[in-house]
Amino acid sequence: GQQVMQIPQYQHVQEGEDFTTYCNSSTTLSNIQWYKQRPGGHPVFLIQLVKSGEVKKQKRLTFQFGEAKKNSSLHITATQTTDVGTYFCAGGMNTGFQKLVFGTGTRLLVSP
Amino acid sequence: DSGVTQTPKHLITATGQRVTLRCSPRSGDLSVYWYQQSLDQGLQFLIQYYNGEERAKGNILERFSAQQFPDLHSELNLSSLELGDSALYFCASSAGRTAAYEQYFGPGTRLTVT
Repeated sequence: GQQVMQIPQYQHVQEGEDFTTYCNSSTTLSNIQWYKQRPGGHPVFLIQLVKSGEVKKQKRLTFQFGEAKKNSSLHITATQTTDVGTYFCAGGMNTGFQKLVFGTGTRLLVSP
Repeated sequence: DSGVTQTPKHLITATGQRVTLRCSPRSGDLSVYWYQQSLDQGLQFLIQYYNGEERAKGNILERFSAQQFPDLHSELNLSSLELGDSALYFCASSAGRTAAYEQYFGPGTRLTVT
């Protein structure tokens, strides 16, 4: 079945270091969404990318959608302890009907 | 606060039992999604309803069923519970029925099967 893989599964950084998570799909995506889930919390929508090669920024977060619309990345500059959580990408796939397939997630731990 | 409510927050029950989880979507949202998240795992999509009708099915077991009522709230029924069904169950809602719409997640129901 359609899968969306994320790497790394887990990353532990020191506060102030940069962090990147990558999202890869075997099929072309119509769109990509990113969510953040804090420990003990629920996923919260961060952003959506739709166009090939699209780049969007939210303060220290930079989101990219690949040219082939099969991959995406989330880069955090100068991490802070508030960035701790699991980051999920979710890709829109057409399988007779359009559905959102969540990635496997990347868990980020930031030490002060 | 996402505007999506789920009850109960916690549920502890025994194997073989049946439980019902309830979800109220954000005001105006027509789609409701159910997800299962086991410990330190990703989000497993179970089922989607749009305006009262089933729209998409994911990895939902035959022992599980769901419905969406005319007032758009949804219930997820889990029967013949097994230890492996212990997980966090999230409900999410969105305005539309396709993947183009962002999803708003509720706080979840933590189910423990003993």
